[in-house]
Amino acid sequence: DQQVKQNSPSLSVQEGRISILNCDYTNSMFDYFLWYKKYPAEGPTFLISISSIKDKNEDGRFTVFLNKSAKHLSLHIVPSQPGDSAVYFCAASAGGYQKVTFGIGTKLQVIP
Amino acid sequence: NAGVMQNPRHLVRRRGQEARLRCSPMKGHSHVYWYRQLPEEGLKFMVYLQKENIIDESGMPKERFSAEFPKEGPSILRIQQVVRGDSAAYFCASSPLGEHYGYTFGSGTRLTVV
Repeated sequence: DQQVKQNSPSLSVQEGRISILNCDYTNSMFDYFLWYKKYPAEGPTFLISISSIKDKNEDGRFTVFLNKSAKHLSLHIVPSQPGDSAVYFCAASAGGYQKVTFGIGTKLQVIP
Repeated sequence: NAGVMQNPRHLVRRRGQEARLRCSPMKGHSHVYWYRQLPEEGLKFMVYLQKENIIDESGMPKERFSAEFPKEGPSILRIQQVVRGDSAAYFCASSPLGEHYGYTFGSGTRLTVV
């Protein structure tokens, strides 16, 4: 039972354009959402998060949008840079509990 | 301030042997989590530990797998009698007390069972 779904296994974007990574979830108890970035042979690195009381959180080039009614969130990267090429994991947790459920990831390639 | 340290980075075991994976959390972090990433899959939660306590082991296979986080020393994930299906990347993460955003992950241990 995949509670956090990332339906696009890969995405290619030109440098300077916007990258949009999507994520859907099924568990209504999730109230905290996170995005992680992972380079090959490294562990995931925390990128940005959002609480369910918000619908948008911004940090530099990265913005996460949350649509609770649709159980959908997205990560926008503007402008995209070649160094952003990595696998991006969407993740969620419930009730302040520290166990985090991850999606399978989307591989982003930013083409110079 | 060193990050989360995992060793070994790569581990090769024959079927039936034991695998021991070690994780030293970041300084000041009292919570440790183990995740497993099978090929072509996302990270799957295995176990959440605090010092000398297992808080949640709902993701651990019922047999052959165990984890500990002793008062002194690193957290250990132990896999007995390994099988080919145990081949995966095992990631450890740590967090401070009360924080559940921004786990800090280690670089992982890649276990290969031959």
